[in-house]
Amino acid sequence: EVQVVESGGGLVQPGQSLRLSCAASGFDFDKSAMHWVRQPPGKGLEWVASLSWRSESIGHAVSVMGRFTISRDNAKSSLYLQMNSLKSEDTAIYYCVKDRGQYGSGSLEYWGQGTLVTVSS
Amino acid sequence: QSALTQPPSASGSPGQSVTISCTGTSSDVGKYRSVSWYQQHPGKAPKLMIYEVTERPSGVPTRFSGSKSGNTASLTVSGLQAEDEADYYCTSYAGGNILVFGGGTKLTVL
Repeated sequence: EVQVVESGGGLVQPGQSLRLSCAASGFDFDKSAMHWVRQPPGKGLEWVASLSWRSESIGHAVSVMGRFTISRDNAKSSLYLQMNSLKSEDTAIYYCVKDRGQYGSGSLEYWGQGTLVTVSS
Repeated sequence: QSALTQPPSASGSPGQSVTISCTGTSSDVGKYRSVSWYQQHPGKAPKLMIYEVTERPSGVPTRFSGSKSGNTASLTVSGLQAEDEADYYCTSYAGGNILVFGGGTKLTVL
């Protein structure tokens, strides 16, 4: 069974950092592109970042560029999102998502249940 | 990275068909076949319903279908059922390792 499980969310103050993790199982993680997608409370989905299977192709949304960094460890079947200089508008549920392909063309096949990040003083 | 444009709401009676549009530009929807649709019920994670414009993942009912014309993609739900009531989102590859989502459409089954 395919599983992606996010962790690391919580309450942080503006300007602080947080690192999200995603543990994957049930599929060939090292052959799949992966994404982070977020959803502010009561609002729509927003793509955050993507990473190809060997980390050679990386993309970040303009809204997080320079503050967030996506990375992966294929040996540990894990995906990460390092979030620095957090703002209140970063408050959202963050989903870890498996792509159908190796290069992240956007067929978001399997979604985790999400981890909530709240940025507030 | 402008969001794709979806109608905020759509509705239909059980058994009817409803179509939800997703309008982008010649740099995203119009350029790539990497258009996908997702269904999200309240409090749940999204679910992939259509990928690569017209393809259905295993387990998705055949009443869900996708199409594209120019810069606009569409999701059609035929034979509406009560359980189809949900939020629907489209997304498209936009080049340069960038994805863009639509704003979402709330589908109501009357």
